[in-house]
Amino acid sequence: DIQMTQSPSSLSASVGDRVTITCRASQSISSYLNWYQQKPGKAPKLLIYAASSLQSGVPSRFSGSGSGTDFTLTISSLQPEDFATYYCQQSYSTLSITFGQGTRLEIK
Amino acid sequence: EVQLVESGGGLVQPGRSLRLSCTASGFTFGDYAMSWVRQAPGKGLEWVGFIRSKAYGGTTEYAASVKGRFTISRDDSKSIAYLQMNSLKTEDTAVYYCTRVGGSWYGDYYYYYMDVWGKGTTVTVSS
Repeated sequence: DIQMTQSPSSLSASVGDRVTITCRASQSISSYLNWYQQKPGKAPKLLIYAASSLQSGVPSRFSGSGSGTDFTLTISSLQPEDFATYYCQQSYSTLSITFGQGTRLEIK
Repeated sequence: EVQLVESGGGLVQPGRSLRLSCTASGFTFGDYAMSWVRQAPGKGLEWVGFIRSKAYGGTTEYAASVKGRFTISRDDSKSIAYLQMNSLKTEDTAVYYCTRVGGSWYGDYYYYYMDVWGKGTTVTVSS
């Protein structure tokens, strides 16, 4: 299986900050990388697919980049509603989909 | 409105079976692959498996942790996906989410993702 490792596991930030979350794959996955946001007690929501494509309806302050093994999710200016847990997920292997362990974004 | 609604969760003893249902609305169900993802209490997301659309053979793939115990099926006439869970273990305790698998072409490459999620149904395996 392809292992996905996110860093950091948690971080504290303030409204208006620029935040970057990193996801690393154990082998090259080209651009087969998606990002999800999950708020407590809610289902995850797709933010970014194919490493850098913004899902319809998602604010433009969210962006994704990377290819191969290293990827980033950037929030350009944190808003109060962005405090949540973020997961990366690889879709390179159709036989086994894997998620990162999650990054919890908290208010400083 | 595009929507997925899971049902069938509950409390079950170890070794027993349970079947979850995922009822879809607002889109042409038969055109999409469907997936199940679970989340144990306080833990991250774990992919359980998926079923391809009939156009791609309706075949299934499973995570190693559930292979041989869980079966995903679909009834396109009813717009329902199922997750049959047998020989349940305490570690199967989780919220189970049904997802639609969408996709997009970029050049020669097809990228797929889980673009619609249900609210989840809770499965508790305990004696």
